[in-house]
Amino acid sequence: DQQVKQNSPSLSVQEGRISILNCDYTNSMFDYFLWYKKYPAEGPTFLISISSIKDKNEDGRFTVFLNKSAKHLSLHIVPSQPGDSAVYFCAASASGANNLFFGTGTRLTVIP
Amino acid sequence: DAMVIQNPRYQVTQFGKPVTLSCSQTLNHNVMYWYQQKSSQAPKLLFHYYDKDFNNEADTPDNFQSRRPNTSFCFLDIRSPGLGDAAMYLCATSREASGSLSGRNEQFFGPGTRLTVL
Repeated sequence: DQQVKQNSPSLSVQEGRISILNCDYTNSMFDYFLWYKKYPAEGPTFLISISSIKDKNEDGRFTVFLNKSAKHLSLHIVPSQPGDSAVYFCAASASGANNLFFGTGTRLTVIP
Repeated sequence: DAMVIQNPRYQVTQFGKPVTLSCSQTLNHNVMYWYQQKSSQAPKLLFHYYDKDFNNEADTPDNFQSRRPNTSFCFLDIRSPGLGDAAMYLCATSREASGSLSGRNEQFFGPGTRLTVL
């Protein structure tokens, strides 16, 4: 039972344009959400997070939006750069629990 | 640089032959995790240590065990690997408060060990 879902396995975007990666979750107890980025042969690295008390968090070119009523979050990257090409994982956790629940990832390719 | 190190990066074992994967960290984090990730699937938490306290996920098979002899090291033991255990095994660490503040800190991942079972 996949509690965090990333329905797009891959996404291709032109350099300089916006990349939008989507994530849906089913567990209403989740109240903290993270995005991780993974390059080949490396472990996932933390990118950005958002608490359920917010609906937006921005860090440079990266912005995460949270829609609690729709149980949906998205990661916006603008402008996209070739170095952003990687697999992006969405993850969620519930208050008081250490475990993260991950999505299956979206492979982003930024075309120069 | 502070980091999470996993050895070996690639491990080949035979069906039924016990294998141990190693993780060490220089971050001095109190929580260490082991995840299993199969091809095109999400990383799945097997268990984690909160300091010395072991926390097993309900659906983690008994075939998987773990040891944490000290803060820096954590081991994943697979007692009798089956073909279905072939996967990438990721170790992660975090610095966590207890109670309601848990799960609010990012996890730092090692590069993973890819296990092949022949």
